Amino acid sequence: GQSLEQPSEVTAVEGAIVQINCTYQTSGFYGLSWYQQHDGGAPTFLSYNALDGLEETGRFSSFLSRSDSYGYLLLQELQMKDSASYFCAVTDSWGKLQFGSGTQVVVTP
Amino acid sequence: DAGVTQSPTHLIKTRGQHVTLRCSPISGHKSVSWYQQVLGQGPQFIFQYYEKEERGRGNFPDRFSARQFPNYSSELNVNALLLGDSALYLCASSLEGGHSGNTIYFGEGSWLTVV
Repeated sequence: GQSLEQPSEVTAVEGAIVQINCTYQTSGFYGLSWYQQHDGGAPTFLSYNALDGLEETGRFSSFLSRSDSYGYLLLQELQMKDSASYFCAVTDSWGKLQFGSGTQVVVTP
Repeated sequence: DAGVTQSPTHLIKTRGQHVTLRCSPISGHKSVSWYQQVLGQGPQFIFQYYEKEERGRGNFPDRFSARQFPNYSSELNVNALLLGDSALYLCASSLEGGHSGNTIYFGEGSWLTVV
């Protein structure tokens, strides 16, 4: 079957670093995307990996290992506004997204 | 520039009724996808359209249907509504439908409550 696994919740203090892991088992894999979603809002694109390695975008970085069917999102210098749900999603070649169940990140003062 | 726009933003329907949700993609985007997000879960793929042709369909019953118009806007229709259809319905647009580094942009969604 097809599945994506990510932790349900992570709590950290402001200024800390958080890593959200994602393992996947899917067919038709093209890339791994990460989305942020605040309560009541739409998912917002954060990062995308099609090849193995690290992609850095400001305070956020994403990593992919295709051989291990594994990726992670790294949030650095955590801010209160980073409290949100974070989803990993596998993309097929047509841009169809298959999402994980999401990780709730709680940032405390 | 306008992003992905969806209407209505909120609506309440009764079991057995029919609903139509609308989506206008970002100007120039030719691919539109629909997702259902139940509270506490990740979005689930329903349909993808590209150049007015259905490119993919998720594991949803035939009560769910969609179409894409010549101006690339799209409608999602759900017949014979069930309580379990209560969810946030998200529309996403992308430039070509492939994810060759393109980002996929989501609208703010339509909150559907079935009572």
